[in-house]
Amino acid sequence: DVKVTQSSRYLVKRTGEKVFLECVQDMDHENMFWYRQDPGLGLRLIYFSYDVKMKEKGDIPEGYSVSREKKERFSLILESASTNQTSMYLCASSLFRGGGTGELFFGEGSRLTVL
Amino acid sequence: TQLLEQSPQFLSIQEGENLTVYCNSSSVFSSLQWYRQEPGEGPVLLVTVVTGGEVKKLKRLTFQFGDARKDSSLHITAAQPGDTGLYLCAGCNRGNAGNMLTFGGGTRLMVKP
Repeated sequence: DVKVTQSSRYLVKRTGEKVFLECVQDMDHENMFWYRQDPGLGLRLIYFSYDVKMKEKGDIPEGYSVSREKKERFSLILESASTNQTSMYLCASSLFRGGGTGELFFGEGSRLTVL
Repeated sequence: TQLLEQSPQFLSIQEGENLTVYCNSSSVFSSLQWYRQEPGEGPVLLVTVVTGGEVKKLKRLTFQFGDARKDSSLHITAAQPGDTGLYLCAGCNRGNAGNMLTFGGGTRLMVKP
């Protein structure tokens, strides 16, 4: 089975702190994604990556950055956390870039609270 | 940004009832996916519909893709408490990095015993 593992299920941080969210997948997927999930808004794409060291902005990249140094690992970074970044963060991966149905495999989520 | 509107946002029903969830857009998608998310878990894919007018059945769940590939519906027959969860539709189109998904806002379903 595909496994996408997010390092922290729950985090509480203070405004201005730097936050790292780590995600690892074990199925050699090329594509990896970071979404945030807020009630009534569904999933909104923050950043995605289709290869090592490659990154693309999604719909809401402001206030976030990402790092993909290895194929299996995709990190989301909040340089200076703000209260409006309190949310559920979901990491996902998908098989390959050129085709397929685009099925996403998700981690369990990281719930971040910024005080 | 392509928008997907899901309705209703919330649905609370008794075990045994039928229900339909709708997913509508003004944009055309190459395919459409439905996910279910249970509390404390990430979304899990239920089905992908690809052809306009396509109907797929998964036990008591029936998924339909509109003829124009702009809308979809999910019908559940004789709902059970195990169907409780957040249902998300996601429209798929090909982008520079392969298939890209646009998610609807979700329908939160509660089925009471």
